Amino acid sequence: KAGVTQTPRYLIKTRGQQVTLSCSPISGHRSVSWYQQTPGQGLQFLFEYFSETQRNKGNFPGRFSGRQFSNSRSEMNVSTLELGDSALYLCASSEGLAGGPNEQFFGPGTRLTVL
Amino acid sequence: GIQVEQSPPDLILQEGANSTLRCNFSDSVNNLQWFHQNPWGQLINLFYIPSGTKQNGRLSATTVATERYSLLYISSSQTTDSGVYFCAVERGGGTYKYIFGTGTRLKVLA
Repeated sequence: KAGVTQTPRYLIKTRGQQVTLSCSPISGHRSVSWYQQTPGQGLQFLFEYFSETQRNKGNFPGRFSGRQFSNSRSEMNVSTLELGDSALYLCASSEGLAGGPNEQFFGPGTRLTVL
Repeated sequence: GIQVEQSPPDLILQEGANSTLRCNFSDSVNNLQWFHQNPWGQLINLFYIPSGTKQNGRLSATTVATERYSLLYISSSQTTDSGVYFCAVERGGGTYKYIFGTGTRLKVLA
């Protein structure tokens, strides 16, 4: 089975721009979660999608948004980029079934640098 | 929200030594995972272990859910074990949100 893929792997943007990151989950997995990792804040949950519906959201400003498509692929968007948005963005895939085991598998990440 | 604490924050070992990493969490959880983050940032799954004990080669893990802690054991450490180890928990009950600890940074010296 192919693993979780994320594109692009590296990205350099300037302040004020917007960016879209993509994540393709493991085949058969319907849940996709996004996390931000920075040296100061560690790994923080952004949001989780299941069957095109957002089921939970972390404490991030509205500039961070996401969506999921019918094939379970997900995108996250950050608008009006700030220097503090520089981070490693990680996507995780799981079966996500209610009440079931929810083991997450991570992609390689997208490293975003905002200049 | 649920708090996850990992100890020690840093650990330096000689190759061949054994170590124990600890993860404490502040509330009952339905899911718990241990990860190793490699130098390129990839999170590698080590164990999915909401309760009980599991072993995989030189690594083993134990979670005592009633006492809200989990332990990761590394035996006969190798330089390739270096990196950051994270514990992550999910409370369940429809949250679908993993909370990560701050990690243990391990360096194994040859």
